[in-house]
Amino acid sequence: NAGVTQTPKFRILKIGQSMTLQCTQDMNHNYMYWYRQDPGMGLKLIYYSVGAGITDKGEVPNGYNVSRSTTEDFPLRLELAAPSQTSVYFCASSKAKRGYNEQFFGPGTRLTVL
Amino acid sequence: DAKTTQPTSMDCAEGRAANLPCNHSTISGNEYVYWYRQIHSQGPQYIIHGLKNNETNEMASLIITEDRKSSTLILPHATLRDTAVYYCIVRAINSGGSNYKLTFGKGTLLTVNP
Repeated sequence: NAGVTQTPKFRILKIGQSMTLQCTQDMNHNYMYWYRQDPGMGLKLIYYSVGAGITDKGEVPNGYNVSRSTTEDFPLRLELAAPSQTSVYFCASSKAKRGYNEQFFGPGTRLTVL
Repeated sequence: DAKTTQPTSMDCAEGRAANLPCNHSTISGNEYVYWYRQIHSQGPQYIIHGLKNNETNEMASLIITEDRKSSTLILPHATLRDTAVYYCIVRAINSGGSNYKLTFGKGTLLTVNP
């Protein structure tokens, strides 16, 4: 299994540009998550999904959108990039099992908005 | 979720045991203690979790006090590759979407020295 894969690894955007961060998992996990991590800080949840067709907001959803058309894929969309969105973005997935919360993380996408 | 308190940083000599403390004095009866770590520039990695009994796996041991208000993660023979930020997270057992998200604080930077 490849686990959780993310593309691209790095990206530089200009203010106002848009882009999609890709996330794919091959573990047949129902739950998927998007986090962001600012320098020196912990991770903050942006959006999450409990299954195909179901998504919900996390702590910091403003400026982002997600979709979940398949179990495997959970792309994150930035519509109008702003400098405040400069961060490292991590995608994660986990089983849907009561009391179980081992999340598997991807390698991250490092985004800079100038 | 119960709040956790961890030291900002710790040092450990290579080959010695690393003992990372975590206080979670407001933990409630249905909350697990999870430990994750994040090696520089990588996504977080699950280590171990427990409810009230001590737990051990191939990576580490988790010791939870009888009153469950604190815990210690033990890496029995630390290596240079264990240098990372270690996160202690308390999370409820409840099933369903948002209850599976993890709240990451700033964690403890463990530096293993040769």
